[in-house]
Amino acid sequence: AQTVTQSQPEMSVQEAETVTLSCTYDTSESDYYLFWYKQPPSRQMILVIRQEAYKQQNATENRFSVNFQKAAKSFSLKISDSQLGDAAMYFCAYRSGDTLAGSYQLTFGKGTKLSVIP
Amino acid sequence: EPEVTQTPSHQVTQMGQEVILRCVPISNHLYFYWYRQILGQKVEFLVSFYNNEISEKSEIFDDQFSVERPDGSNFTLKIRSTKLEDSAMYFCASRQTGSGNTIYFGEGSWLTVV
Repeated sequence: AQTVTQSQPEMSVQEAETVTLSCTYDTSESDYYLFWYKQPPSRQMILVIRQEAYKQQNATENRFSVNFQKAAKSFSLKISDSQLGDAAMYFCAYRSGDTLAGSYQLTFGKGTKLSVIP
Repeated sequence: EPEVTQTPSHQVTQMGQEVILRCVPISNHLYFYWYRQILGQKVEFLVSFYNNEISEKSEIFDDQFSVERPDGSNFTLKIRSTKLEDSAMYFCASRQTGSGNTIYFGEGSWLTVV
């Protein structure tokens, strides 16, 4: 079974600064997807960024980028120019790419609570 | 942008009562999911549904739970006899077919069992 570990329960960053959230995972699969979801106080789960394991290039979405290290099974999220609206719980998630499994359920980490200091 | 919508946003129910949580997935999506998040804990997979049947379920999804797609748009989660430990945020999610497609979540239904 796959596991996802987020070792930082809480992080804080000054507004306009850069912060990196860590995520490691354990899997024996070679085909999979990784995601970062954001959960603001409203508790909605919002997709931030995704990475396909077969892609060597790190995914980027505006101020959000990842550092995907497949051999190390590491998938960190970097938020540049942090804004007050970035304050939220951030969840790292893993999904199998195995077509036989079918449902492609997500396995989540425990989350990192990010505070942004004005 | 299309959204997954859920109702109710918050429900309070007495222990032992039946609860139905409703979801309208994104219209061209064919895989549907329910996830649960107990307060302060991580999001956990409950069940996936495809082609009018359960495709996968977790250990949490016991006989007290059931899912249904009663018409072409709604996807429901029923808890037959609620327990205190069922208090949680329940998220509905959906995705298109194809292994590469992202799962999109609704805003959640917060269930409080008293």
